[in-house]
Amino acid sequence: GQQLNQSPQSMFIQEGEDVSMNCTSSSIFNTWLWYKQDPGEGPVLLIALYKAGELTSNGRLTAQFGITRKDSFLNISASIPSDVGIYFCAGRGRVGVQGAQKLVFGQGTRLTINP
Amino acid sequence: NAGVTQTPKFQVLKTGQSMTLQCAQDMNHEYMSWYRQDPGMGLRLIHYSVGAGITDQGEVPNGYNVSRSTTEDFPLRLLSAAPSQTSVYFCASIPQGAGNTIYFGEGSWLTVV
Repeated sequence: GQQLNQSPQSMFIQEGEDVSMNCTSSSIFNTWLWYKQDPGEGPVLLIALYKAGELTSNGRLTAQFGITRKDSFLNISASIPSDVGIYFCAGRGRVGVQGAQKLVFGQGTRLTINP
Repeated sequence: NAGVTQTPKFQVLKTGQSMTLQCAQDMNHEYMSWYRQDPGMGLRLIHYSVGAGITDQGEVPNGYNVSRSTTEDFPLRLLSAAPSQTSVYFCASIPQGAGNTIYFGEGSWLTVV
């Protein structure tokens, strides 16, 4: 089935540093999404990307939809303590005869920030 | 997590027992899904449904059954629990069309001993 490879699996950085993570897939997706999950809660949507080459920002977060539609990256600039958490990429694509939308997640990147 | 109600939040089962995780949403979303989350594995899709009466398998369907008799409810059944099913389970719903805000339940922590 469709799988997403997300890297790195974990990051340990100093407060104020920039962060970069990415996802790749063997399949083409028509939407890429980035989520953040805090302990004990479900993932929360950060950024949604709808077309190849799209570059979108949300405050200190910037994400891009790869031209091949098989990859995406997320950058966080000037990290702060509240950025700590697990970040997931997700691809959304049509599967099956009925073209049902399916959402598949990457393995996650655990971000730890040293003050 | 407004709109998606998931129960129970915590459950301990013995190997071989059966149970059902309940999920309900009141947003009239057609798409609902169940994920399990294990350390280092991210969220893996178990089953999903694109509407009442329609279900399909995700990445890790073995050991789980689902049904979708109404738009609102999407229960996940474990017929004979195994320790490998110890995990955190999330129910999610997504509106059809361009909107991509996925609504998650609060999660169910399941331990099989």
